[in-house]
Amino acid sequence: DTAVSQTPKYLVTQMGNDKSIKCEQNLGHDTMYWYKQDSKKFLKIMFSYNNKELIINETVPNRFSPKSPDKAHLNLHINSLELGDSAVYFCASSTPLDNSGANVLTFGAGSRLTVL
Amino acid sequence: EDQVTQSPEALRLQEGESSSLNCSYTVSGLRGLFWYRQDPGKGPEFLFTLYSAGEEKEKERLKATLTKKESFLHITAPKPEDSATYLCAGTYGKLTFGQGTILTVHP
Repeated sequence: DTAVSQTPKYLVTQMGNDKSIKCEQNLGHDTMYWYKQDSKKFLKIMFSYNNKELIINETVPNRFSPKSPDKAHLNLHINSLELGDSAVYFCASSTPLDNSGANVLTFGAGSRLTVL
Repeated sequence: EDQVTQSPEALRLQEGESSSLNCSYTVSGLRGLFWYRQDPGKGPEFLFTLYSAGEEKEKERLKATLTKKESFLHITAPKPEDSATYLCAGTYGKLTFGQGTILTVHP
């Protein structure tokens, strides 16, 4: 009965490889996000989708490409992995963003990516 | 640029020793101030949302307050199970997180 689930939890790969992280939520939320948490614990938003439509796209290298096949799923594909991509990636979901922006996010457990 | 700054970076308390965590934020355009708790190996878990100065919210041993420039998370008589990283976030249309305070409560 996990609300927001991500797979895989751990991912170790070589520089230059391509990898994907999958996310699914069963909360019925319309909005989903990808956040990156670096070694200093800062959480930074990368992307946000509302009902399969991209609404937030922060300054993220083009090697990162999100895909939302339906409103319950948001996957993250990363091409040509670099050492600096090593981090924990969190998926989250919330009720639709309104003008206040004050929506409570429910986070997944995170996917730790290590690039060697 | 919108900023959220938390202090201290780390806080070690004895069980029962009350204290407060601080979160200062960029005032302009703030639409809400959030507190989350993050346990090792897990995602952040929502605690409180505050919208206006003077507002207070409580949950068990935790109380969050908001002034015009900062928010405090007060922990009364903490227990070891309160040990976690506490994250503050301001929403300006999207959430901007602080770097967190790592709280350790010793028995």
